[in-house]
Amino acid sequence: DAGVIQSPRHEVTEMGQEVTLRCKPISGHNSLFWYRQTMMRGLELLIYFNNNVPIDDSGMPEDRFSAKMPNASFSTLKIQPSEPRDSAVYFCASSFAGGYDEQYFGPGTRLTVT
Amino acid sequence: SQQGEEDPQALSIQEGENATMNCSYKTSINNLQWYRQNSGRGLVHLILIRSNEREKHSGRLRVTLDTSKKSSSLLITASRAADTASYFCATDERSGNTGKLIFGQGTTLQVKP
Repeated sequence: DAGVIQSPRHEVTEMGQEVTLRCKPISGHNSLFWYRQTMMRGLELLIYFNNNVPIDDSGMPEDRFSAKMPNASFSTLKIQPSEPRDSAVYFCASSFAGGYDEQYFGPGTRLTVT
Repeated sequence: SQQGEEDPQALSIQEGENATMNCSYKTSINNLQWYRQNSGRGLVHLILIRSNEREKHSGRLRVTLDTSKKSSSLLITASRAADTASYFCATDERSGNTGKLIFGQGTTLQVKP
């Protein structure tokens, strides 16, 4: 199994641009998570899907952030417009049963907004 | 609000020594998990302990859970340089029952060869 796949691995963009991060969860997993990690705030859960349906998006910072999961094998996290304070490492993770089970993390996307 | 908080924030030991990290949390939980993160990489699951368990072992790892004190500890025995990483505890919230995990700020462990 290839594990959780994220793309791109690195993204550098200018303020105001749209950024789309992609994630392919492990086949058979029912839950998908998007996290953001910074030195200041640590690891924050942004949004959590179960069976492709958003269960908890309370961590999404503001309307500039949106996430979709059109099918069981693909999810996107979009930031529009991007701002320098969005610079962080964004992780996608998947599991069989949400927080009741171990989560498998992707390698992350390092986003830099200048 | 922060559910899991690790202590200490940083730990430096010599290879072969044991390393102990602690995690405290605030609300009732279904389970508690420990993860490791090597620099520049994603988190890797180490061990999951359920609220009705008190101790769990996996190789050189030993995890304890005290639900009355709302705390857990991770012990790494006979540490190796390869154990150098950040370690995070993560808890769900039983009352929320959403399956959402909340991670602590982590303990950075350095094992000197």
